[in-house]
Amino acid sequence: DQQVKQNSPSLSVQEGRISILNCDYTNSMFDYFLWYKKYPAEGPTFLISISSIKDKNEDGRFTVFLNKSAKHLSLHIVPSQPGDSAVYFCAAPRSNAGNMLTFGGGTRLMVKP
Amino acid sequence: GAGVSQSPSNKVTEKGKDVELRCDPISGHTALYWYRQSLGQGLEFLIYFQGNSAPDKSGLPSDRFSAERTGGSVSTLTIQRTQQEDSAVYLCASSLGISRNTEAFFGQGTRLTVV
Repeated sequence: DQQVKQNSPSLSVQEGRISILNCDYTNSMFDYFLWYKKYPAEGPTFLISISSIKDKNEDGRFTVFLNKSAKHLSLHIVPSQPGDSAVYFCAAPRSNAGNMLTFGGGTRLMVKP
Repeated sequence: GAGVSQSPSNKVTEKGKDVELRCDPISGHTALYWYRQSLGQGLEFLIYFQGNSAPDKSGLPSDRFSAERTGGSVSTLTIQRTQQEDSAVYLCASSLGISRNTEAFFGQGTRLTVV
């Protein structure tokens, strides 16, 4: 049972435009979400998070939106840059032990110059 | 070291052999996690160590998998009698604590190929 799903395996965007990466979840007990970014041959790195008490969290070019009723979150990157090309994972903690995470399958973002 | 270090970076083994994967967490980090990423899949939680508490082994896929953490620092993930479906990238992460605002830092992973 995949509790966190990223239905788009890949996304291609022109440099300077907006990238929107989507994530759906099924477990209504999830109340905290994270996005990780992964370059090839490197471990994932934390990007941004959001608590369920919020519907938006912004950090520079990155904004995460949470729609609890739809059990959906999205990561917006604007403007997109070629260095943003990577695989992006959304994740949610399995319990109150913060970093035991359930991950989505990832979306490969390609930003074309 | 400055980050989480994993060794080896690549491992090719024959089906049925045992393998050991090593993780050196960031110094002072009390929490340590093992995940694996199979081809085209997301990261799958395997096991979690926190301080001197008993590890949470709920993610281990079979009894061929085991892990230990000696002295609250280095961890070894052991896979016995490897199978082809064990082929994956095995990732280790550590964090200073377990609160949700505590960032987990990942190593670069060990790519295991079972032939």
